[in-house]
Amino acid sequence: DVVVTQSPLSLPVTLGQPASISCRSSQSLVYIDGNTYLNWFQQRPGQSPRRLIYKVSNRDSGVPDRFSGSGSGTDFTLKISRVEAEDVGVYYCMQATYWPLTFGQGTKVEIK
Amino acid sequence: EGQLLESGGGLVQPGGSLRLSCAASGFTFSSYAMSWVRQAPGKGPEWVSAISGGSGTTKYADSVKGRFAISRDNSRNTLYLQMSSLRAEDTAVYSCARGGGDWHYVGAFDIWGQGTMVTVSS
Repeated sequence: DVVVTQSPLSLPVTLGQPASISCRSSQSLVYIDGNTYLNWFQQRPGQSPRRLIYKVSNRDSGVPDRFSGSGSGTDFTLKISRVEAEDVGVYYCMQATYWPLTFGQGTKVEIK
Repeated sequence: EGQLLESGGGLVQPGGSLRLSCAASGFTFSSYAMSWVRQAPGKGPEWVSAISGGSGTTKYADSVKGRFAISRDNSRNTLYLQMSSLRAEDTAVYSCARGGGDWHYVGAFDIWGQGTMVTVSS
C-alpha cells in the first residue's frame, strides 16, 4: 500500500498568521494519464470531511482563496495564508492514484 | 449540488450482519463511481470499498475483502454496503462519498454523506 505521511500532526497557529502542512507519499502519485491524484480535506469537529483541494492544486468551489495546494511526485503542501477561527479542525491528504486509496494520519489545526 | 444520506447503522454483535444504504440526490447517480469510507472513533478516514457507475467493477480494502459487498441500484439512486462476519474493529462511522465520472478518479470524494454509526459489540 502507498503510505501517506503528514507533518506536523498538531499545528497551533495564531489568528491571521500562515500555516503549512506537509504530505509525503511512499511512491510518486503521478498516474499513467499524467494526472496526480492527491486531495486535501478539512474535517471540522462533528462533521464529515470536506474536500478543499483536488489533483494537488485545484481549489473546490466555495473554498476561500487563502487555501492553496502545491507539490509534485511524492511531496505536497497545503498552505493557509492567514488562519481564521473557522479553519480549526483536522486536515487530511489522500492519494487516489493507487489501490487501496489511502489517507494521511491527519493534522490538527488549533488556535494558540 | 448533490447530497448523500446514509442509513442502516446500529449496534450488532460480533459475527453479525448489517446492510447500509446511501441515498443520492441532486446529480445523475449512475454517472459516478461511489465509495464507502469509514472512520473509527478518534481515527482518520479509511477507504473501504468502491463501485463503478454501472456496477461492473468493484474494489475492496483487504481488511473487509470477503466479508463486505458493495452494490448499487441506479433506478433507486441508492448505494449499499452489505456487511457480514462483523468484528469489533469494524466499529466506525460509515460514510458514502462520490467519486469521479471516470473510474480512474474514483477517489474524487467531492461529496460526502453525514455518516451512519456502526457499533460491533456484545
